Amino acid sequence: DAGVTQSPTHLIKTRGQQVTLRCSPKSGHDTVSWYQQALGQGPQFIFQYYEEEERQRGNFPDRFSGHQYPNYSSELNVNALLLGDSALYLCASRRDTTYNEQFFGPGTRLTVL
Amino acid sequence: DAKTTQPNSMESNEEEPVHLPCNHSTISGTDYIHWYRQLPSQGPEYVIHGLTSNVNNRMASLAIAEDRKSSTLILHRATLRDAAVYYCILRVPSGAGSYQLTFGKGTKLSVIP
Repeated sequence: DAGVTQSPTHLIKTRGQQVTLRCSPKSGHDTVSWYQQALGQGPQFIFQYYEEEERQRGNFPDRFSGHQYPNYSSELNVNALLLGDSALYLCASRRDTTYNEQFFGPGTRLTVL
Repeated sequence: DAKTTQPNSMESNEEEPVHLPCNHSTISGTDYIHWYRQLPSQGPEYVIHGLTSNVNNRMASLAIAEDRKSSTLILHRATLRDAAVYYCILRVPSGAGSYQLTFGKGTKLSVIP
């Protein structure tokens, strides 16, 4: 079992550009959540996808959007990048019926110049 | 959001027990207490969770105060591989029938050989 995988590992963009990050959940998992982790901070919840729909959303602007595919993989899109969007973006998955633990991927390090 | 308070950092000697405290004075009756840890350059990893009773698993023990306003994560024998940031989180149910995890800054545990 490969666990949660994310791509790319690192990414460098410039202000105003758009970026797409990808996540493949752990086998058997149908719920995917995205988090943003700034340097020295804990992860902050962006949104959660289940059954191809956004089910919950944290306090992030509309520039952050996502998608979930029928195979449960997910994308995080960020438009009009700001310097403050530089962070580690984490994807986590779980089964919708399981409330015990989420499995996190290694993250994508985004740097905005 | 339900909040937790943890010390910024702690140190432990290798092979000695470690007690990581967490205060959550605003916890409500349906909030579960979760602990995750994040090793350097990795995504967070589930450690343990509980509601009212003390819990044990292969990684750690969780001691929950009788009034549930505080809890302690216990690592019985710290190893160098336990050096990480430990997050105490309240799992709060959402109106969408799901839940989200709200991370704080956590406690950075250093293990001294």
